[in-house]
Amino acid sequence: ETGVTQTPRHLVMGMTNKKSLKCEQHLGHNAMYWYKQSAKKPLELMFVYNFKEQTENNSVPSRFSPECPNSSHLFLHLHTLQPEDSALYLCASSQGTENTDGQYFGPGTRLTVL
Amino acid sequence: GQNIDQPTEMTATEGAIVQINCTYQTSGFNGLFWYQQHAGEAPTFLSYNVLDGLEEKGRFSSFLSRSKGYSYLLLKELQMKDSASYLCAVLDSNYQLIWGAGTKLIIKP
Repeated sequence: ETGVTQTPRHLVMGMTNKKSLKCEQHLGHNAMYWYKQSAKKPLELMFVYNFKEQTENNSVPSRFSPECPNSSHLFLHLHTLQPEDSALYLCASSQGTENTDGQYFGPGTRLTVL
Repeated sequence: GQNIDQPTEMTATEGAIVQINCTYQTSGFNGLFWYQQHAGEAPTFLSYNVLDGLEEKGRFSSFLSRSKGYSYLLLKELQMKDSASYLCAVLDSNYQLIWGAGTKLIIKP
């Protein structure tokens, strides 16, 4: 495996379900990110982890709960979501949080909340 | 506030040249990125400009004017596979990436 992988690629869930998104990076990077991408809107940064420590939480509702057990893995736990949370959720990684080498993205999880 | 503006959608013909513009107003500047994103796929890095001028990389070139808060991505000899969204992002004074909404480029035969 190379680059950044995400599972599942597609997820449909009801508002009362609990599910988790998984991201893994094979680049030896130290920083990992969760983004929300909605149609015709800029990428919305949700969470940032650097060396497994959360350094940013951009006022994300508590129904989204991140977990970073090590520098290579990142999870996003979902519970009691709303239909407006339907979007593409992208994971990214970078060497450091200064981002001067850019961020590397996974293919995303297309989430639909019914 | 911080703002990145780029056109929502553009159409061009196969074999032609297209220029996608990006203007920005950010608190500080540490560089500008262009990413390509095909539908349903990951955004992939195209270019990074931190100094003024034009950088060429094959069929793609990226230009930056820091004094004007302006960049463009130039795509030459367009191919059908260039149909994608092109995202402009600026690295601000805190080294945070500020993203534009993306430009959807449609290539017609």
